Amino acid sequence: AQSVTQPDIHITVSEGASLELRCNYSYGATPYLFWYVQSPGQGLQLLLKYFSGDTLVQGIKGFEAEFKRSQSSFNLRKPSVHWSDAAEYFCAVGTYSGGGADGLTFGKGTHLIIQP
Amino acid sequence: KAGVTQTPRYLIKTRGQQVTLSCSPISGHRSVSWYQQTPGQGLQFLFEYFSETQRNKGNFPGRFSGRQFSNSRSEMNVSTLELGDSALYLCASSTTVNTEAFFGQGTRLTVV
Repeated sequence: AQSVTQPDIHITVSEGASLELRCNYSYGATPYLFWYVQSPGQGLQLLLKYFSGDTLVQGIKGFEAEFKRSQSSFNLRKPSVHWSDAAEYFCAVGTYSGGGADGLTFGKGTHLIIQP
Repeated sequence: KAGVTQTPRYLIKTRGQQVTLSCSPISGHRSVSWYQQTPGQGLQFLFEYFSETQRNKGNFPGRFSGRQFSNSRSEMNVSTLELGDSALYLCASSTTVNTEAFFGQGTRLTVV
């Protein structure tokens, strides 16, 4: 069965500093990978996705992520964080079989705190 | 283009009751999935519908059920509510089964 690990439950970063959120997945085939962000009391907003091709993907709000098959990782990065980036970040892997979606498997999330 | 709409946003129910949650997908999206989010278990897949057919189901008891209508709108039902069913229920829609999912704001269910 597939799984997603986000090793960092909380991360504190100073405003203007760079950010990297880690994500490791376990899945037998080529995965569909996603990063979502959730603000308190809200749904999930898609930041970026990887389906195939270029392993460095660009997303919204200045985020990017790099797929590394050899390390089973899909880390999220941003060169300079803003106070508005404070939120919960979820990495997810999508699996599909028999023409149907098995559903996204999510990591437990990383809570990002921005220090002024 | 309107996003995924979930109604109601908040619900309070008593143990033993049943509840129905509604989800209207983005126009043109035919796949609808449901997720349960709790502090302890995180985000868990409930089921996925495509063209009115349930394609896959997560590891939840039979008290959790759903359906999809011909206009792609979906409902999920939870019968005989338990305190542990208190959660944020999220609906997501996508164009087909293997494209990115767009989430609604969720329905916050509290069981007392």
